[in-house]
Formats: sequence, C-alpha cells, structure tokens
Amino acid sequence: QSALTQPASVSGSPGQSITISCTGTSSDVGGFKYVSWYQQHPGKVPKLMIYDVTNRPSGVSNRFSGSKSGNTASLTISGLQAEDEADYYCSSYTRSSTRVFGTGTKVTVL
Amino acid sequence: EVQLVQSGAEVKKPGESLRISCKGSGYTFTTNWIAWVRQMPGKGLEWMGIIYPGDSDTRYSPSFQGQVTISADKSVSTAYLQWSSLKASDTAVYYCARSGTYSGYETDYWGQGTLVTVSS
Repeated sequence: QSALTQPASVSGSPGQSITISCTGTSSDVGGFKYVSWYQQHPGKVPKLMIYDVTNRPSGVSNRFSGSKSGNTASLTISGLQAEDEADYYCSSYTRSSTRVFGTGTKVTVL
Repeated sequence: EVQLVQSGAEVKKPGESLRISCKGSGYTFTTNWIAWVRQMPGKGLEWMGIIYPGDSDTRYSPSFQGQVTISADKSVSTAYLQWSSLKASDTAVYYCARSGTYSGYETDYWGQGTLVTVSS
C-alpha cells in the first residue's frame, strides 16, 4: 500500500485559515470513516489532533477541524497561531486491516 | 496515567540482531492494540504493524512484512519489535503507540521513541 498523498508544505499568516489535504484510495480514506490527524513538533512525539475524520480528542483546540470527501480527507486550522507551526500527518485504516500514514505536511506560520 | 515507556537508544552493526521494547502502564495492557511506527532521519512517519496483546493477533504493513517481527508478553505488559539482521537502512527512531479509546482506529498515547543506529 502506498502512503497517502499530502502537500509537502502549507503556509499562512497568523489568524488565517489553512487546509491540508490527504488523498488516498477507496481501499483506505474513501472506504472508511477512520482517518486521524497527528501534529509533530521537531524532536517531539506525534500528538493526536483529529480522529474518525471529524472528531477532536479532549484538550485539542476547536481551531482544528477535519472533513472528508470521497478519497480525500482534509484538516483545517483556523485562526493560525505560531504554536501551530509543525509537521502534520494523516492516517487511515485500510482494507487490509492495517493503517497507512500520509507523506506529511510542514506548516509554516509566516 | 497511561504511559508507554520504550527501551533506550541502540547502536548496532549491520547483520546484528536487535529487540526493542515498549512497556505499557496505567491501563489494561491486553485491551488496546499497540502499533509500531518508523521515522527515518528527517523523514515522515511510516506505519509498520500492530499487535493485540490480548491474543497476539498481529498485522503487518506490506512494506515491513518479513523484515521485522512484532510480539508481546502480556505478563509483563510489554510489546516488542525485533530484527534478525539489521541493515544500515534500519537507522531510524521507532515509536510504539496505543490504539485509542475513542474508536480504536486512532493512536492516542505514544512512547518516547527509540533511536536505532546501524553503522559499521
């Protein structure tokens, strides 16, 4: 199975909104409602930001939201803040009962 | 408090074997899947495989099938990732992560990572 496709980088100014896409196939993203998103700051452990496409874990800011259309999932960060500068990865359950990560997106706050 | 504590950094030579560990605490170890994730230097996350410690049901990503072995010992609440013959390309940070308590398809707690360096 191939990694899900994400843009290498996305940038925005403080206060703006940005959206990161995550494109897979009908065997992963398109076939299940089990897409999650992770934030990773340099040298740190990944942190769960969104699960099951749209749900936020307790403690995660409501500035983070998720959605899905067909084989593409998206993560939107609204009211961009300096602390949001990090790498973001999507992940999906697959038809093989495994998981697959996205290629990763570096978010830069201008 | 849920914790996953991984074994320390390793420096090995090509061809050597290695087993790294991930000890869970603060929850019932047998009721959550444990995944292993690779992150090569400066690269992204790669999902390697997953094990259910309750019955040792294991699934591997096709990219890692046959390259590593994932196991668990529920008596000591510990999952393992093992290589029989390391290669330089196995140099990476390896994370263990627990399947979450929301739907179970996410990972909510992660270990601190184990750096494995393979060099002659």
